[in-house]
Amino acid sequence: DSGVTQTPKHLITATGQRVTLRCSPRSGDLSVYWYQQSLDQGLQFLIQYYNGEERAKGNILERFSAQQFPDLHSELNLSSLELGDSALYFCASSATSRQMNYGYTFGSGTRLTVV
Amino acid sequence: KNEVEQSPQNLTAQEGEFITINCSYSVGISALHWLQQHPGGGIVSLFMLSSGKKKHGRLIATINIQEKHSSLHITASHPRDSAVYICAVRGNRDDKIIFGKGTRLHILP
Repeated sequence: DSGVTQTPKHLITATGQRVTLRCSPRSGDLSVYWYQQSLDQGLQFLIQYYNGEERAKGNILERFSAQQFPDLHSELNLSSLELGDSALYFCASSATSRQMNYGYTFGSGTRLTVV
Repeated sequence: KNEVEQSPQNLTAQEGEFITINCSYSVGISALHWLQQHPGGGIVSLFMLSSGKKKHGRLIATINIQEKHSSLHITASHPRDSAVYICAVRGNRDDKIIFGKGTRLHILP
């Protein structure tokens, strides 16, 4: 157990729908990062939150949004889902605001299937 | 051309063989990571490198900053090493993280 908890583990939904993925960071970590891993694109950084504030943005679509709550858990909202959004979505956390620095830990991912 | 290229894409080897996975990148970097992704999907960070060489158990990672190249070696490979190995770099201008597409390793017993 990495200490980073992602729910749900699997999600199947229809095109056009909206889903919310949840991430609880490791205890004491202030940063939460979201990544998308699709078969053809590999891992891609979506967005980072640090202590409740958006810190960095990657290749995140306008249909996607995220937030980090006062208890530091984060949610990634995906709307108007398309078949191409089917992917593994990973969350990671760290104590600092620098991406992929020491102590960086991934969750086990949420597998989203859009049908 | 991708900014981070890994080779080979797929590798099958017999248990006990010495394994080498390569990562070449085209941008200036401040750090390079090797990640391991197991068949179940979970990702584990193996190494973070900015120069030289690091060793952990049977795993060795090296980096040559001048040649913009890193290698991950596995000695005495074992079926439990079967996983996807991903190289990721952090750009030294913008801290942007770029991932390679991964090398799928399968070790046969």
